[in-house]
Amino acid sequence: DIQMTQSPSSLSASVGDRVTITCRASQSISSHLIWYQQKSGKAPKLLIYAASTLQGGVPSRFSGSGSGTDFTLTISSLQPDDFATYYCQQSYSTPQTFGQGTKVEIK
Amino acid sequence: EVQLLESGGGLVQPGGSLRLSCAASGFTFSNYAMTWVRQAPGKGLEWVSLITGSGSATYYADSVKGRFTVSRDNSKNTLYLQMDSLRAEDTAVYYCAKDAAYCTNGVCYKVGYFDYWGQGTLVTVSS
Repeated sequence: DIQMTQSPSSLSASVGDRVTITCRASQSISSHLIWYQQKSGKAPKLLIYAASTLQGGVPSRFSGSGSGTDFTLTISSLQPDDFATYYCQQSYSTPQTFGQGTKVEIK
Repeated sequence: EVQLLESGGGLVQPGGSLRLSCAASGFTFSNYAMTWVRQAPGKGLEWVSLITGSGSATYYADSVKGRFTVSRDNSKNTLYLQMDSLRAEDTAVYYCAKDAAYCTNGVCYKVGYFDYWGQGTLVTVSS
């Protein structure tokens, strides 16, 4: 199985900050990398697929980059609605595996 | 509007069984692979199982293989997860989710990520 490792596990940031979350795969997954946002008590929401393609309706302050084994989710200017936990997932092979999550908290 | 509504969760003793259902609406259910993902209390997401649109192929995480069975009834637009020999470590919120799929010429191909999710149903395995 492909292992997905996110860093950091949590971070504290202020509204307006630029935030970067990284995700590393244990083997090359090309661009088969997905990002989800999950708010407390809610289902995950698809943000980005194919490493860098924004799902419809997702604000442009979110962006994704990377290929192979190293990927990044960037929030260019953190908004109050963005405080949540973010998960990466590889869709390269079954079983689809998730990173352990990165919790973005208010500083 | 796509809607997924899970049901069937609850408290069950170790070794017991439970069947989860996921009622789908707002899309052509039979065209899309469907998946179950679970989340233990305070933990991350864990993929559990996937079934293709026709139901002809199923896939399972090693942690549930041989104990869980995924199925679907396309005439009822409903996805199921039969869970047997339940263990304490199966305690989680279980989400059903729709594969985002790539559709062309009336055929949809699963892509392995999920664009719509249900609200989840809690399964607690405890004596």
